Amino acid sequence: DTEVTQTPKHLVMGMTNKKSLKCEQHMGHRAMYWYKQKAKKPPELMFVYSYEKLSINESVPSRFSPECPNSSLLNLHLHALQPEDSALYLCASSQVSLAGNTGELFFGEGSRLTVL
Amino acid sequence: AQKITQTQPGMFVQEKEAVTLDCTYDTSDPSYGLFWYKQPSSGEMIFLIYQGSYDQQNATEGRYSLNFQKARKSANLVISASQLGDSAMYFCAMRALNGNKLVFGAGTILRVKS
Repeated sequence: DTEVTQTPKHLVMGMTNKKSLKCEQHMGHRAMYWYKQKAKKPPELMFVYSYEKLSINESVPSRFSPECPNSSLLNLHLHALQPEDSALYLCASSQVSLAGNTGELFFGEGSRLTVL
Repeated sequence: AQKITQTQPGMFVQEKEAVTLDCTYDTSDPSYGLFWYKQPSSGEMIFLIYQGSYDQQNATEGRYSLNFQKARKSANLVISASQLGDSAMYFCAMRALNGNKLVFGAGTILRVKS
């Protein structure tokens, strides 16, 4: 079983809806990530939080709003999405740097989002 | 900037045989880590193996080994004794030592034939 838990596993929403994706880890990691993945494509980085502060925003549209309430939780708030935003959204966590460890990212199973 | 190149969109291998998945990279960072992930059709990204840029020996994890050639900037994944359950998408990825950004290659779809 994955140690990063994402909910919901599937989400269908209209373009006017507001919804949230949630992610939780209890490995003591202080870096958390959101990736977006389209079918048969590699994951694309959206946001990185380091020590609960947003450290990387890959020019993501403002209709995606990340939030890191504490070191174990990561949310992605969704509002006024477009059909092309339909994708698998992956959450991950890791040690903050590779120094002294392998620093691999641990991924959740993803939330599959469909925007109608 | 970091760049990962996987030139094999798809590969076939016979069950019980070995297969090599290619990965080349480019980076200006002096210290970095290279990773391979497996993604089955279920969608979960599974970490397979890690190689640090200063590691003297090639990494091995069970049936997985990483053929690291630093001068050629390549980090190929070797899977020995392929199993049907190895059929999946495989991604090579890179992360700078003090960075939080994991950059993925385009991936290689591996199909194991019985």
